Amino acid sequence: DVKVTQSSRYLVKRTGEKVFLECVQDMDHENMFWYRQDPGLGLRLIYFSYDVKMKEKGDIPEGYSVSREKKERFSLILESASTNQTSMYLCASGLWGANQPQHFGDGTRLSIL
Amino acid sequence: QKEVEQNSGPLSVPEGAIASLNCTYSDRGSQSFFWYRQYSGKSPELIMSIYSNGDKEDGRFTAQLNKASQYVSLLIRDSQPSDSATYLCAVNMWGNTGKLIFGQGTTLQVKP
Repeated sequence: DVKVTQSSRYLVKRTGEKVFLECVQDMDHENMFWYRQDPGLGLRLIYFSYDVKMKEKGDIPEGYSVSREKKERFSLILESASTNQTSMYLCASGLWGANQPQHFGDGTRLSIL
Repeated sequence: QKEVEQNSGPLSVPEGAIASLNCTYSDRGSQSFFWYRQYSGKSPELIMSIYSNGDKEDGRFTAQLNKASQYVSLLIRDSQPSDSATYLCAVNMWGNTGKLIFGQGTTLQVKP
């Protein structure tokens, strides 16, 4: 079974802090994704990566950056956390290819106070 | 604008009935289609994938794809209270990147 592990289930941070969310997958997947999910807005793609050190902006990249130094690990960084970044953050991974699904981690519920 | 549309519901069905969930998508060239189930407070879980026109069955679940009409549906037979969840339709409109666009989800309630 695919295992996508997010470092924290719940996280509370303060405005202005730099926040790191970590995601690790154990299936040698090329593609990794970061989403946020908010009520009424659905899943929105923040960034994705299809290879080590490669990244592409998703639909809502403002205020976020990412890092992929190793194939199995994809980090999401909130450079200066703001209250409007309070959300559920979901990491997913998948194989390269048109017919490949994404597999999700358990999510991190992040609160910015 | 690439879009995936779902009726948000809630869709309420009695236990044992067939639940029918529908999804339409904007890009005629879309290649692959997925259904995810998401329980409240949990992450999405893949339940079905479909790539060709027609039906694909897996246990109590049947996915149906009609590329000419640009819709995909999910049927759940013999619905159980444990099927109560939000069902997300996801479509690959970007080929090999594996990037998906998700619908907003349909909330299904199965009443005992």
